[in-house]
Amino acid sequence: AQKITQTQPGMFVQEKEAVTLDCTYDTSDQSYGLFWYKQPSSGEMIFLIYQGSYDEQNATEGRYSLNFQKARKSANLVISASQLGDSAMYFCAMREGLTGTASKLTFGTGTRLQVTL
Amino acid sequence: DTGVSQNPRHKITKRGQNVTFRCDPISEHNRLYWYRQTLGQGPEFLTYFQNEAQLEKSRLLSDRFSAERPKGSFSTLEIQRTEQGDSAMYLCASSPAVQYNEQFFGPGTRLTVL
Repeated sequence: AQKITQTQPGMFVQEKEAVTLDCTYDTSDQSYGLFWYKQPSSGEMIFLIYQGSYDEQNATEGRYSLNFQKARKSANLVISASQLGDSAMYFCAMREGLTGTASKLTFGTGTRLQVTL
Repeated sequence: DTGVSQNPRHKITKRGQNVTFRCDPISEHNRLYWYRQTLGQGPEFLTYFQNEAQLEKSRLLSDRFSAERPKGSFSTLEIQRTEQGDSAMYLCASSPAVQYNEQFFGPGTRLTVL
């Protein structure tokens, strides 16, 4: 069974600093995808970044990068140059199967990030 | 592109009543997912459709829950004889069939059972 673990219930970061949100996963599949979503107080889940299990390079999307360490089964999210608008819940999620596979996402319990002045 | 929409956004009901939620996916997305999110937790998968076919159901989806997607477009999620434990945010997501990883989420329906 798939499992996602996020061990940081809450994190604080100063504006303009970088922050790393931790995520470890467990799966017996060789093919899988890892996702990060942001959930502001409004409730909508916003997709941030994706990493496939066979991708050799770490994914990057603007200020977001995913530090993928396959052997350690970790997929940490790095946010550079934090902004006040980054304050939100962040969820790590996994989907078993390759790109295009119709499969559910399994989510972690989330990390609440608070950006301070 | 109007995104995934869900109605109603909020629903308050008394225990034992039936409720129905609607999800309109992004047009031409043939995959539609339902998740439930309780306070302090990440979303949990309930069920998903490919076109009008319901292909997977979670064990979380008890006999009181039923989901449909009759014409492969919008979907409804009905909860019969609601219980206080059903109080949660119900999220809908959609995705295209191939060559895409992201599931696009709607704003959710927050259910409160008194």
